[in-house]
Amino acid sequence: EAGVTQSPTHLIKTRGQQATLRCSPISGHTSVYWYQQALGLGLQFLLWYDEGEERNRGNFPPRFSGRQFPNYSSELNVNALELEDSALYLCASSFGNSGANVLTFGAGSRLTVL
Amino acid sequence: TQLLEQSPQFLSIQEGENLTVYCNSSSVFSSLQWYRQEPGEGPVLLVTVVTGGEVKKLKRLTFQFGDARKDSSLHITAAQPGDTGLYLCADEGAQKLVFGQGTRLTINP
Repeated sequence: EAGVTQSPTHLIKTRGQQATLRCSPISGHTSVYWYQQALGLGLQFLLWYDEGEERNRGNFPPRFSGRQFPNYSSELNVNALELEDSALYLCASSFGNSGANVLTFGAGSRLTVL
Repeated sequence: TQLLEQSPQFLSIQEGENLTVYCNSSSVFSSLQWYRQEPGEGPVLLVTVVTGGEVKKLKRLTFQFGDARKDSSLHITAAQPGDTGLYLCADEGAQKLVFGQGTRLTINP
């Protein structure tokens, strides 16, 4: 069974540009979570999608947005990139919508903003 | 807003030594999860503890949950280089996992 897959693995952008990151959950999982892992700051919750709807959002500005598609895959968009957006962006999936449950994480997409 | 504090932030020891890392919460845990993250990978769930005073063992790893459900410890016996990684605790709060900043553990051969 394939795990959570994320693309691209690495992405380099400049300030002001937009970045799009993609995530495919484990087959059968309906919930997708996005986390930002900046150096030394642990994992910060960004977004939770379930059944195509945004269920919860972390304390991030509106230029962080995303969506979940009918096949439960998801993308995270970051507009007007700033230097401090450089981080590892982790996607996780779970079965069901009763909360965090047990999350299975992907390997992440490393975004570097120059 | 719940805050999870992990200590120490960094730990470097020799192979064969024992170690303990800690996770403390500003509020009672809903349920506590421990993850390990290796370089270039996402976090992988090690264990979930729910009941105050609970102790779980996973080979050389022993997880304890405080009686008041506000703290937890992870003890590793006879550490091996394969134990190297970032150890994260997390609380399964309402609609999201809240993570601590992690303990970065290095086991030197």
